[in-house]
Amino acid sequence: DAGITQSPRYKITETGRQVTLMCHQTWSHSYMFWYRQDLGHGLRLIYYSAAADITDKGEVPDGYVVSRSKTENFPLTLESATRSQTSVYFCASSEREASSYEQYFGPGTRLTVT
Amino acid sequence: GQNIDQPTEMTATEGAIVQINCTYQTSGFNGLFWYQQHAGEAPTFLSYNVLDGLEEKGRFSSFLSRSKGYSYLLLKELQMKDSASYLCAVTDSNYQLIWGAGTKLIIKP
Repeated sequence: DAGITQSPRYKITETGRQVTLMCHQTWSHSYMFWYRQDLGHGLRLIYYSAAADITDKGEVPDGYVVSRSKTENFPLTLESATRSQTSVYFCASSEREASSYEQYFGPGTRLTVT
Repeated sequence: GQNIDQPTEMTATEGAIVQINCTYQTSGFNGLFWYQQHAGEAPTFLSYNVLDGLEEKGRFSSFLSRSKGYSYLLLKELQMKDSASYLCAVTDSNYQLIWGAGTKLIIKP
């Protein structure tokens, strides 16, 4: 199906473990984004990518790693999960940079770190 | 610093009109977005304003005043399905999208 998908949708992990959240889009959008959403906060940008093999830090990148070897995939890895990384993670894609183009969001991954 | 302010929560009655305000202080301005987010779901695009004035789209309208750093989203003929959070986001001079915390809108019958 066309669109943007995320997996897993729900994940419980322990402190210190490595976790990878997957994001896949079928539109061939150039830009892809990772956000976290916590109660009382707006969406906060973790990392973004302008194209394959081009990634850049957002507002809250510490503790996260991304890669983008293919246009359609943009995985997010928590190298050593901490409780403060418990959150809902959204992946998004856009045709262009965030100037005037809407972003399309995946359904989100709810991550709990115990 | 960069800041976007929205009311945390609002309540309105089915069939009525509600206005959700957003004020922003950002380094530069390249456009303002409104997104809708139902509980447990992803945000979805509602509107985009880059010039001053009112943009109407069905029951929803969005207004922008760049000189005042102010926008509002106007929802008419409210329906129960409009119960959701409404997120205001501003594109700054670096083309980064800065998000408000969102306004939770509760619709009562």
